[in-house]
Amino acid sequence: ELKVEQNPLFLSMQEGKNYTIYCNYSTTSDRLYWYRQDPGKSLESLFVLLSNGAVKQEGRLMASLDTKARLSTLHITAAVHDLSATYFCAVGIETSGSRLTFGEGTQLTVNP
Amino acid sequence: DGGITQSPKYLFRKEGQNVTLSCEQNLNHDAMYWYRQDPGQGLRLIYYSQIVNDFQKGDIAEGYSVSREKKESFPLTVTSAQKNPTAFYLCASRGPSLALQETQYFGPGTRLLVL
Repeated sequence: ELKVEQNPLFLSMQEGKNYTIYCNYSTTSDRLYWYRQDPGKSLESLFVLLSNGAVKQEGRLMASLDTKARLSTLHITAAVHDLSATYFCAVGIETSGSRLTFGEGTQLTVNP
Repeated sequence: DGGITQSPKYLFRKEGQNVTLSCEQNLNHDAMYWYRQDPGQGLRLIYYSQIVNDFQKGDIAEGYSVSREKKESFPLTVTSAQKNPTAFYLCASRGPSLALQETQYFGPGTRLLVL
């Protein structure tokens, strides 16, 4: 059974600071996804990571993938209040109909 | 505009009642998915369909049923057998698996509450 674990589950940080969210998964996977969810809203796709060593950046967020360690990271640079949300990683296996297994989510609060 | 729509936004279920959640997409995607989200938790897969007239159970299919008669539509029925249906239900779709960068796109969700 594929398991996906995120840490921390709750993160409170000050504006301007840097921090990293970690996503570990238990079995070999084709691809790794990061999503953002605002309170009461649906999920918004942030990144798709396909191969070992993949790195993608969008604004203050940067995601990376280490398939050998079965680890993905989401790095936040110089956080701003607008980044406050819950961030989910999800692991997909193409041979299983592209179904996703989600982590529990990291609730990020950026304080002024 | 291309996208995924879900209706209703809020749904109230009486005990013993079956209710159906609608999910429609005009993205021409083959694959569609239903997830359940409980407060403060991640998403869990209920059912998914990779092609019309075919669907598979996910991790928590008991008490739910689906149909896939049209490519655009993937309705979810929450039956009376589902004893704890209160949750946020999200529908998603995905394009061809050959498009390696393809992600799952999510609808706005339906919040189901039990009266």
